[in-house]
Amino acid sequence: EVQLVETGGGLIQPGGSLRLSCAASGFTVSSNYMSWVRQAPGKGLEWVSVIYSGGSTYYADSVKGRFTISRDNSKNTLYLQMNSLRAEDTAVYYCARAPGAGHFDYWGQGTLVTVSS
Amino acid sequence: QSALTQPASVSGSPGQSITISCTGTSSDVGSYNLVSWYQQHPGKAPKLMIYEVSKRPSGVSNRFSGSKSGNTASLTISGLQAEDEADYYCCSYAGSSTFGVFGGGTKLTVL
Repeated sequence: EVQLVETGGGLIQPGGSLRLSCAASGFTVSSNYMSWVRQAPGKGLEWVSVIYSGGSTYYADSVKGRFTISRDNSKNTLYLQMNSLRAEDTAVYYCARAPGAGHFDYWGQGTLVTVSS
Repeated sequence: QSALTQPASVSGSPGQSITISCTGTSSDVGSYNLVSWYQQHPGKAPKLMIYEVSKRPSGVSNRFSGSKSGNTASLTISGLQAEDEADYYCCSYAGSSTFGVFGGGTKLTVL
């Protein structure tokens, strides 16, 4: 059974850093495209980042230069390192598997990141 | 990359059909047959309902169907049921560096 479990969210001050983790089971992270998608409170979904099976990474303009997506093949885990956090980064962050370009078939339960002083 | 445009809300009575539109540009919806649709109930993670414009994942009811014409994609739900009441989001691939552009979401109310 495919499962994704995110951890690492919490309350962080503006300018701070946080690392989110997404532990996968039932499939191999490194063989798939994997993404982070976020949802601000009461708002819609926003694609954040993707790591392709070959290792290439891409980011939304809103997080480029501040966020880094990575994976640990030995742990079958996806990460999102978030630096220079801003209030507008406050959201539930979901990791999702992308079996093909532009769509996501399995999602984690999400982890809430709150950026506030 | 701008978000795709969806109506903020749609409604219908049980048994009726509704259609949600999703308008993009020639750089996203118009360029790729890679539009997907997601259903999200309050407090829950999104669920994939349609991918590659009109394909249904295993387990998704055939009451859900998708189509595309030019820069606009559509999701049609037939035989509306109470449990269909949720938020719906479209998403389009827009190139390798912009893996997914989402719509603003549509709240479906079943009257």
